[in-house]
Amino acid sequence: DGGITQSPKYLFRKEGQNVTLSCEQNLNHDAMYWYRQDPGQGLRLIYYSQIVNDFQKGDIAEGYSVSREKKESFPLTVTSAQKNPTAFYLCASTLAGGPNEQFFGPGTRLTVL
Amino acid sequence: SQQGEEDPQALSIQEGENATMNCSYKTSINNLQWYRQNSGRGLVHLILIRSNEREKHSGRLRVTLDTSKKSSSLLITASRAADTASYFCACGRSNDYKLSFGAGTTVTVRA
Repeated sequence: DGGITQSPKYLFRKEGQNVTLSCEQNLNHDAMYWYRQDPGQGLRLIYYSQIVNDFQKGDIAEGYSVSREKKESFPLTVTSAQKNPTAFYLCASTLAGGPNEQFFGPGTRLTVL
Repeated sequence: SQQGEEDPQALSIQEGENATMNCSYKTSINNLQWYRQNSGRGLVHLILIRSNEREKHSGRLRVTLDTSKKSSSLLITASRAADTASYFCACGRSNDYKLSFGAGTTVTVRA
């Protein structure tokens, strides 16, 4: 089955800790994205990557970091510099030559304790 | 930055009725896409309409696009309880990999 997976489904973080959210896709997509969703709101773009070893900041990159060492993987680290990290995080991927249909993972809900 | 804005924010209808929601945007687009999100889940792509298209159908979904008014509408006909979800429009610009999502319309279909 082709698809995009995220893990874990739920994540709890203590204040001051860094945590890493996983995103993997086997769709052979070139571009990958990380979004943040707060209750009752739309999606805000954190980071995106069009090709391996390259990524760009989105609208709300502060306090987050990413890497794109493999085409299939695009992990997101929520650092202690992110002051309000409690949110639902969604990863997506798409074919090159955008703006194309995006395929989304099931999401990770991050809660700061 | 969020370009698409949906209206209404919430909609409650009886099963079998039609549901209509609108999306307005500010700058030129290459295409406009509609997505559905069930509670606590990821988004699912529903339909994509290009800037040179005026209307598109997919099953019980009908999407229109009016580039002169910078607006789009999504119509769900003969709604079912399973249509209960949030619906988002997303604007795609030429030569850009990014989409700009609106805040969504929450649709509740009552049995």
